[in-house]
Order: sequence, then structure tokens, then C-alpha cells
Amino acid sequence: QSVLTQPPSASGTPGQGVTISCSGSGSNIRSNTVNWYQQLPGTAPKLLIYRNNQRPSGVPDRFSGSRSGTSASLAISGLQSEDEGDYFCAAWDDSLNRWVFGGGTKLTVL
Amino acid sequence: QLQLQESGPGLVKPSETLSLACSVSGGSITINSDYWGWIRQSPGQGLEWLGSTSSSGSAYYNPSVKSRITISVDTSKNQFSLRLSSVTAADTAIYYCARQTYCSPLGCYGFTLAWFDPWGPGTLVTVSS
Repeated sequence: QSVLTQPPSASGTPGQGVTISCSGSGSNIRSNTVNWYQQLPGTAPKLLIYRNNQRPSGVPDRFSGSRSGTSASLAISGLQSEDEGDYFCAAWDDSLNRWVFGGGTKLTVL
Repeated sequence: QLQLQESGPGLVKPSETLSLACSVSGGSITINSDYWGWIRQSPGQGLEWLGSTSSSGSAYYNPSVKSRITISVDTSKNQFSLRLSSVTAADTAIYYCARQTYCSPLGCYGFTLAWFDPWGPGTLVTVSS
């Protein structure tokens, strides 16, 4: 059972948009910033969004993040087949004194 | 461009110590705003942070493995290492090393407001006799 809760799956057709949610608590998402990682099949996770809504250099602006209270969201617009993979949210937890991750959401582009 | 690469045995016997190294290229391991961490992913499971350390030796560990883990830095080799003792089958996982940084072009924020970037490609470690 992960500390941060994500839906196990999400899907959309090419060109559509999809949103992935991440639910936490006052000791993690409300108190600290949220990062999102993309893990394409057979590869290591890659930073997608940091500090709730910042995109690293090279990440397309089709990807955006937001945070409100104890929840965060990752929005992907203009879905492409190469977006298929797993997406994880993460934050520091002040009560557990460790980094916590969501269980991951498997994105399928139909 | 900073790159990380894990290395070490792919098979460890139960009760023994798992040892992995992470070589850092394309940048220095001694940057003050950087920590160096280990994260693992069990087959088909999510991600678990194990611990992170600065180049000066200030280490933070996941309480669930704190009694068994040591992360150390060798600045002369620009690499850092993981040691996990008394392993069991539950420690079988892909082990990733990653830089944990908390400075961006917009400012610096602190350890708990950091992010992991980049990650090494990962190495599978199986615990089995």
C-alpha cells in the first residue's frame, strides 16, 4: 500500500488529453512539493515535473503539473503513442521521514 | 550532461551483504546542493527510496532499512556506494542510483523539496541461494 494514492491505470486516444491524480496527506503533499516521474517500458524513471509544476529542460509543454491541498495532478495533452508507460508521483513525508512514491499509473494510448 | 551508472553483483545470497557502486560522469559529485541516492523497484512494484547522502557524508536513510544500510561517497573516484546487510528475498529488486538536487535556475530549496534527476539505468539484484 503506497503512501501516495494513484489510479492504477489511465488511457486515451492519440491527440486526446488525460489527467493522473495523486492523493496524499498533510505530512507530504500539503507540506512539501510534488515531483512526477515517467517510466517508459524497460527504462529507468525520468523526471517529468518538479516542484509541483516545473518542467525540466527538454520536457514538452504537453506535460503540466498542479497541486491543491493534499492532492496533485499530472495533465498530459495531445497524447502520443510514445507517452505509454508508468507515471509516479513523489514527495517527502515529514511524519515518515522519507521520500514516498505513488504506486504508479500505467498510461495506455489506445 | 550528468550520467550515472550502477555496477555490482547481480546475485547475492540470503543473509549476505549487497554492495553496489554508482559512477558519476559529466559532473562533480562534490556539488553542495546535490545529494546522491538509491531507490529500488521490486518486480512489478512501485518505487522505494532507500537513502541519500551528500558528498560530505551527511546521510539520510529510510527508517525501514536504517539498521542495515550504509551509503558512502568516494570523491576521488566520483562515485558513491550502497551496502545493504542481511538481505532476504524481499530485497530482490532493480536498484537505481540518482542525483537528488534541490537547486534549479529559479533558486535553491532544501533537502525535502528536492527531486531525483538524473537516474542511472538500474541494475537487477536477485537474492537467492
